[in-house]
Amino acid sequence: DGGITQSPKYLFRKEGQNVTLSCEQNLNHDAMYWYRQDPGQGLRLIYYSQIVNDFQKGDIAEGYSVSREKKESFPLTVTSAQKNPTAFYLCASSIGTNTGELFFGEGSRLTVL
Amino acid sequence: GEDVEQSLFLSVREGDSSVINCTYTDSSSTYLYWYKQEPGAGLQLLTYIFSNMDMKQDQRLTVLLNKKDKHLSLRIADTQTGDSAIYFCAESPSDGNNRLAFGKGNQVVVIP
Repeated sequence: DGGITQSPKYLFRKEGQNVTLSCEQNLNHDAMYWYRQDPGQGLRLIYYSQIVNDFQKGDIAEGYSVSREKKESFPLTVTSAQKNPTAFYLCASSIGTNTGELFFGEGSRLTVL
Repeated sequence: GEDVEQSLFLSVREGDSSVINCTYTDSSSTYLYWYKQEPGAGLQLLTYIFSNMDMKQDQRLTVLLNKKDKHLSLRIADTQTGDSAIYFCAESPSDGNNRLAFGKGNQVVVIP
């Protein structure tokens, strides 16, 4: 079955530590995205990548970093510079960049203690 | 830039219709979308409407688009307990890339 896999589903970290969230897709999609979801705030775009070895900042990129070395993989690192990292993180992919049909993973809930 | 507004909470009895509303700002958006998020999960595309349409019906779902008022609505007929979820509207930017602007979401609770 094709889909997007995010791991881990739940993650606890101490303040000041970097943490990397994994996102893998086997849909052969070119574009991948990371969103952050906070209660009552909807989804905000962190980073997106339209093609391998290329990515662009979204609306709230500060304190985050990404890489896109392989088509299937788009890991997100939450760095210690992110002021309020506790949130639900969603990864998505799409066939191209001119379609609004995004396929989402199940999400990763990060809690910083 | 795009800005999408939604009301936050709706409760509805099983079997009744539910209507979720959304306003958007980018009059050049080509497509407008409705996504559904079940508890603890990612989002799934429910339906979408092309900007030159006024209405789209898909089984129990009816989407209405009022371009003049930049108002989008989703009507769910015969609401079921499985329809309990958060519903997000989203618009695609007019520059052709896929940076969807999502609303804050509307939580629908279906009461048996």
